[in-house]
Amino acid sequence: DSGVTQTPKHLITATGQRVTLRCSPRSGDLSVYWYQQSLDQGLQFLIQYYNGEERAKGNILERFSAQQFPDLHSELNLSSLELGDSALYFCASSVGTSGSVGTQYFGPGTRLLVL
Amino acid sequence: ELKVEQNPLFLSMQEGKNYTIYCNYSTTSDRLYWYRQDPGKSLESLFVLLSNGAVKQEGRLMASLDTKARLSTLHITAAVHDLSATYFCAVDSITQGGSEKLVFGKGTKLTVNP
Repeated sequence: DSGVTQTPKHLITATGQRVTLRCSPRSGDLSVYWYQQSLDQGLQFLIQYYNGEERAKGNILERFSAQQFPDLHSELNLSSLELGDSALYFCASSVGTSGSVGTQYFGPGTRLLVL
Repeated sequence: ELKVEQNPLFLSMQEGKNYTIYCNYSTTSDRLYWYRQDPGKSLESLFVLLSNGAVKQEGRLMASLDTKARLSTLHITAAVHDLSATYFCAVDSITQGGSEKLVFGKGTKLTVNP
């Protein structure tokens, strides 16, 4: 158990819908990262937050957005869902000290299926 | 832009054999990470290599880092079935504006056959 929690574990929805994925980092970790993992694209970095502020952006679609709240939990919002958005979405956290990403600890993931 | 390449991407080996997975990266970095992922599961941190020449070992796995060659290796000794998993390497990347992220390789899917 990494100490990172994600909800829900599974999500089935229809095209065009909007969903919210939630992540709670390990106690003491200030950085939260979101990744998308699919069979054809591999592990893709989406976005990072550090202590409430966006710090790094990766291959995140405009239909996707995220935020980190004062209690450090984070939410990833996916809207206008398409079939191709079906994937495993991971959240990871790290201490986030300057100069190094440090070891990232991954949550169990949310498996999203868009029908 | 930092690129991380692993090879092989697929590896099928027999129990008891030795093999090495390679991880090359394109720009200077002093930190490299190895992760393991079982099918349908999350990623688990295996090793953090923090400097040139660093070597870490746990059980049948040994990882090393050569920052001058921009190369890390993950050596498997006397493989057993329980090592079957996908192994990822990842490298620190400083993005524009000074923010930092990890860049992952595509992963090496290891299958150990009896």
